[in-house]
Formats: sequence, C-alpha cells, structure tokens
Amino acid sequence: QVHLQQWGAGLLKPSETLSLTCGVYGESFSRNYWSWIRQSPGKGLEWIGEINHSGSANYSPSLKSRVAISLDTSKKQFSLRLSSVTAADTAIYYCARKHRYSYAYYFDYWGQGTLVTVSS
Amino acid sequence: DIQMTQSPSSVSASVGDRVTITCRASQGINTWLAWYQQKPGKAPDLLIYAASTLQSGVPSRFSGSGSGTDFTLTITSLQPEDFATYYCQQADSVPHTFGQGTKLQIK
Repeated sequence: QVHLQQWGAGLLKPSETLSLTCGVYGESFSRNYWSWIRQSPGKGLEWIGEINHSGSANYSPSLKSRVAISLDTSKKQFSLRLSSVTAADTAIYYCARKHRYSYAYYFDYWGQGTLVTVSS
Repeated sequence: DIQMTQSPSSVSASVGDRVTITCRASQGINTWLAWYQQKPGKAPDLLIYAASTLQSGVPSRFSGSGSGTDFTLTITSLQPEDFATYYCQQADSVPHTFGQGTKLQIK
C-alpha cells in the first residue's frame, strides 16, 4: 500500500525559503511522477510542479522562477523549495503521486498536507 | 494554461437525491479528466479518471461522462458521506489545472 508522509516548517517570514519533504512508502520511484500541489482559500488547488524517477522536473510557469523540486532515491524522498515567499504563498501544501491510468496520469495518493503560513 | 470552470460552486441536496456537477475546459482535453472528492481537513481523493472510469473502491452511485470540453459528475442516491467538495482536474497537459470546486451541502 502506497503511503506519502510529508514534513517541513509551517511558519515562515516574508522573503524566506519554504522547504518541505515527502517520504514515499510502499512504492518505488519508477513509472510515476512525484508532485507538489497547494491549496489556498483564494486560489483553490494549484499544481506547483513534479519530478520523475530520472530527475526530470516540470514546474508551473507562474512559480517557475522560485521553485525547485528534487528527489533522493536512496531515501525514497522528494522535496520542494520555494524561495522568496510572501503572504500569497500561505496555503496547505500537499505532496502527491501522479500515476498512469489508461493514457494519462492522475493524482492517486496524497500526503496529509502541511499548512504553511507566511507572516512577519 | 487550460482553464477549468465548474458549476455550480455550491449545491444543497438531501440524502437520496441525484446531483450533477459540470466542468468545462477552455480547450479540448479528450477524456483526460479526473474528479476528486475532498472532505474538511483531508487531502483530495481520486474518484474518477479518464472522465468516466471509477477508481477502485468508489461506489457505483458515482459516474462521470463527457469528452472534449464538457464533463459531468453525477451522484445518484446521495449518502451522508457524499457531502463534501468536488474538484475536476485536467490531465491533458502541464500545468495541470483544477476547477474551483463544488461544495455539496446537506439541505
């Protein structure tokens, strides 16, 4: 059974860097994309980006200049870094597995979510 | 980016009712669409993928249809556990985008 467990700092000051990590249990990194998605009251669910087992990443154009997703295959973890945060980055951040069903990929396993608040 | 528009934004219904939620994509996405259910304080759960295929374990009272730009999620014979927020999401291309959500409330 696949399980994603995420952790990281929940309170940041403006201009700091958000850093979250997601551990993957019960599954290898191959054949999937490993994603970060956030949810805020003002913008709903927003896809941040993803990385595959070979380290190839895709990012949301609106966040691309500030975001980096990496993975550590030996530890079965992947991480999100978002730099220069502002109050607009306050949200619940989720890690998720994007898995192929039929001819496309869907988010079928999610972490528990981490509330990140940006406040001075 | 492909824009996803859901309607209605909220709906009130009673146990046993039938409810339909619609989702429109700003451009054609074939059948590369998913529906998720989210309950307060929890992550979204995948209900339907490829527009009409139920994820394993999802009750048959849920169904999805559509292709191209217009899609629907139908729940027949609403059960108490179905009151939640529902989101559509396009899987056609990155950046993946979600609808704004439809909150299904008890009447």
